[in-house]
Parts: sequence; structure tokens; C-alpha cells
Amino acid sequence: GQQLNQSPQSMFIQEGEDVSMNCTSSSIFNTWLWYKQDPGEGPVLLIALYKAGELTSNGRLTAQFGITRKDSFLNISASIPSDVGIYFCAGHPPSNDMRFGAGTRLTVKP
Amino acid sequence: GAGVSQSPSNKVTEKGKDVELRCDPISGHTALYWYRQSLGQGLEFLIYFQGNSAPDKSGLPSDRFSAERTGGSVSTLTIQRTQQEDSAVYLCASSPLRASGGPGADTQYFGPGTRLTVL
Repeated sequence: GQQLNQSPQSMFIQEGEDVSMNCTSSSIFNTWLWYKQDPGEGPVLLIALYKAGELTSNGRLTAQFGITRKDSFLNISASIPSDVGIYFCAGHPPSNDMRFGAGTRLTVKP
Repeated sequence: GAGVSQSPSNKVTEKGKDVELRCDPISGHTALYWYRQSLGQGLEFLIYFQGNSAPDKSGLPSDRFSAERTGGSVSTLTIQRTQQEDSAVYLCASSPLRASGGPGADTQYFGPGTRLTVL
């Protein structure tokens, strides 16, 4: 089951605005991943983080692996309409299978 | 190279019928996962295969659900005597390894899913 707290659950923003979402856990994780899911599609990997403190960018997306290894955030800068979708965080604890957050549903108004 | 593929993309069935959903993982990936996603919800883990090891079935919601993985590659998820609450998108994912074998080893790559509707 899901053991990650992802927030916010949904966001309604204006095109051009920046977006921030995060995930927290009560236990440490070795890996943090961020996925995006478009309607009718499977989740697609956006960014993968493997080291505490790591900050990684992919175009307008930036994600960080928290120093405590219990959290991660994803930022999207200068949002565009095609950013619409559901963003999932996922984490891999040291001795268990991957856990997923409940998702953040992003709506971008032109 | 080819990604994870699933078939059918959509399946409509009548309550009480059995259904089979297929997943073709990325070639060379030893780990395979099945998830269920209800409308607007997150991912619910169902079952996991790693190489020749016994599968982790801890997420299967009832004994009507079963899965096989033949030859360490293709997997089939079977739902017997389908119920309306089984309606969901069933997603398959594969990864190179289960346990951490270096960065990327446990990263899961998803298929497009099978949308199951039980009438």
C-alpha cells in the first residue's frame, strides 16, 4: 500500500506560474522518483534521485532528494498547458518494494 | 528499444466472466509488477515477480485474482468471476532488478495499462 504523503492533492494554476509539490515519509528511502501520468496513459518517469541532497533538473522540472532521506519535492517552472496531468512520487525503502504517493492532479489554465 | 506493452488496451466484460490481461515487459528486465488504479486514484500494488523466485502476492485483493509469468518474461493477470468493483486500469511495470543494484536498477517503467470495465 501507499506509505508516502504527497501534497497537494490537486492544483489549479495559471499558465506561466511555477508549481511545487512534495512527498514525505516516516521512514528513510534510498531512491525517490517522480512520474507523470497523462489521461489514458501509464506513468512516465520524469526524474530519478539516488542520493540524499541530490538536486536534478530535466528541462523546466527540478527535483530534490531531501537531506533526511524522508522527503522529496518537484518544481515545475513557467507552466504550460501540456503540463496538465497527475504527478506521482515514488520511493524505494531500503528493504521493501517501491511505494507510491496518491498523486497531485495539476490543471493549467491558459 | 520497445517499452512495456499491455493488451488489450480496453476490455469490457459482464459481471461473473473471467478476464486475462497481458503484459510484455522490457527485454532483459527481471522484475515485473502489476498495479491497479481506480478512477482518479493512486496506484495499488497487486503482485510482483522477480526472476525465478516465488512471486510476492501480498497485494492481491482476493483469491479471484491470480498472475503468472512464463519464462521470466510475459505475464498474465487473471481475474475470475469479475465484479463491478474490479473496474479499473490495470498497469504493468518492469525494472532491471528488484533490490538496489546501483542507480536505476529498481526504477520501474510502466506500460499504457488495460482499462477494464465490468458491466
